Amino acid sequence: NAGVTQTPKFQVLKTGQSMTLQCAQDMNHNSMYWYRQDPGMGLRLIYYSASEGTTDKGEVPNGYNVSRLNKREFSLRLESAAPSQTSVYFCASSVMSTNEKLFFGSGTQLSVL
Amino acid sequence: AQSVAQPEDQVNVAEGNPLTVKCTYSVSGNPYLFWYVQYPNRGLQFLLKYITGDNLVKGSYGFEAEFNKSQTSFHLKKPSALVSDSALYFCAVRDSYSGGGADGLTFGKGTHLIIQP
Repeated sequence: NAGVTQTPKFQVLKTGQSMTLQCAQDMNHNSMYWYRQDPGMGLRLIYYSASEGTTDKGEVPNGYNVSRLNKREFSLRLESAAPSQTSVYFCASSVMSTNEKLFFGSGTQLSVL
Repeated sequence: AQSVAQPEDQVNVAEGNPLTVKCTYSVSGNPYLFWYVQYPNRGLQFLLKYITGDNLVKGSYGFEAEFNKSQTSFHLKKPSALVSDSALYFCAVRDSYSGGGADGLTFGKGTHLIIQP
C-alpha cells in the first residue's frame, strides 16, 4: 500500500526556472493538500483541493499554481522559482476536507540558487 | 484568530522515563487539537486528536494527550519512552469557529524529542 507518493525527492533549481512537483495517492481520498515546511515555522498550507475539480488558496499561495488532474493526482507548479521558495514540500491527503486526519508523502527537498 | 505554541524546541528524556511534549493554544470557539509525528526523512504521521469528550486522549504507539481547558494546553505524554520515539512532534489546532477542516489547521513549530539510551 503506497499511500501518498511524491516525486522528485530532491531538486535543485536556478532562480527563474520552473518545475512541477507531482503527487499521487492510492487511498481513494477526496481531498489533497500541498504544504511547505521551513525550519522553526512548522507547516504552512500552500493550496488545497477539497474534491476533484476544485482548488483553493491556503496561507502562502503566492508564486505557486496547482492542478487537480484527477482524484488521485495533485501537482504543484513553480513558474519562476525564487530563493525564498527553498523549502521542503509535502503533499497530503484526507478522506474528505472536513477530516483533519492527514496522510503525508515523504516530501520533496527543493533548493533554489 | 487561532494560534498554537510549542514552547520547547527540544526535549531530552532518558529511555524508560516518562515524557511530556508541551503544547498551548488560542482559539475563539472550541479547539480541535491534534498531534503529528515526523520521523527523519519522512512525512508527518497522525498520532491522535481531541474534538470533545474525555480530556485524556489515547493515540498511536502508546502516546496519549491531556486536554486542559483552563490552561489552554494539550500536552503529549507517554509513560515510558523508547529510543525509537525520537522524532519531531507537531501540535496543530483548528478553531470550531473557522469552519472547514484540514485546510483550517494551524501547526506549531515542532519539538524535537530525543530519547537517550
